[in-house]
Amino acid sequence: QKEVEQNSGPLSVPEGAIASLNCTYSDRVSQSFFWYRQYSGKSPELIMSIYSNGDKEDGRFTAQLNKASQYVSLLIRDSQPSDSATYLCAVNPQRSNDYKLSFGAGTTVTVRA
Amino acid sequence: SQTIHQWPATLVQPVGSPLSLECTVEGTSNPNLYWYRQAAGRGLQLLFYSVGIGQISSEVPQNLSASRPQDRQFILSSKKLLLSDSGFYLCAWRTGEYSYNSPLHFGNGTRLTVT
Repeated sequence: QKEVEQNSGPLSVPEGAIASLNCTYSDRVSQSFFWYRQYSGKSPELIMSIYSNGDKEDGRFTAQLNKASQYVSLLIRDSQPSDSATYLCAVNPQRSNDYKLSFGAGTTVTVRA
Repeated sequence: SQTIHQWPATLVQPVGSPLSLECTVEGTSNPNLYWYRQAAGRGLQLLFYSVGIGQISSEVPQNLSASRPQDRQFILSSKKLLLSDSGFYLCAWRTGEYSYNSPLHFGNGTRLTVT
């Protein structure tokens, strides 16, 4: 089982719709979770961090975390063509001697104008 | 604020030639430093990470090596490049204190093509 798994994608949504991205993780003790956006040919950019169960909103982005279900999601409201990118889910292990962030393979989102 | 510099942005090298990619971080001290590689259309592959000067952990056995000669400098090297070394190389940092709660911050990357 992979440590972090994401929707295989690609995900195509019309402009103005909600894009929903899902991520599950295997390490039950994980405590911090991140979403990155990566445009084609560019480096990943941090867009959301979430540490507690529930929702966290930042502009058009909402991250949702459910530790009991080992599930974290990202919602993009009012999707714009500029949101077309690959979204990476990343999970931090809660172990002081483990310095590696686990990344999912990414979900590619295309927003249709 | 913290910034990360990575260079060069693009590089075309013949098979068998050496490689040196450099990354520096400003505005923080004792960061954790990382080298990733991303093949075309693929996910991120962790190559090396460092939690301090001279401390290098290797994730994948291959013809690459890394060094950290200074606190905020991380270098990726190879003595002889292979075709399979082509890819997008990313340097990243995060705070060394309470690193397990910290996100990674990536440099702009180096696109390496081995011909």
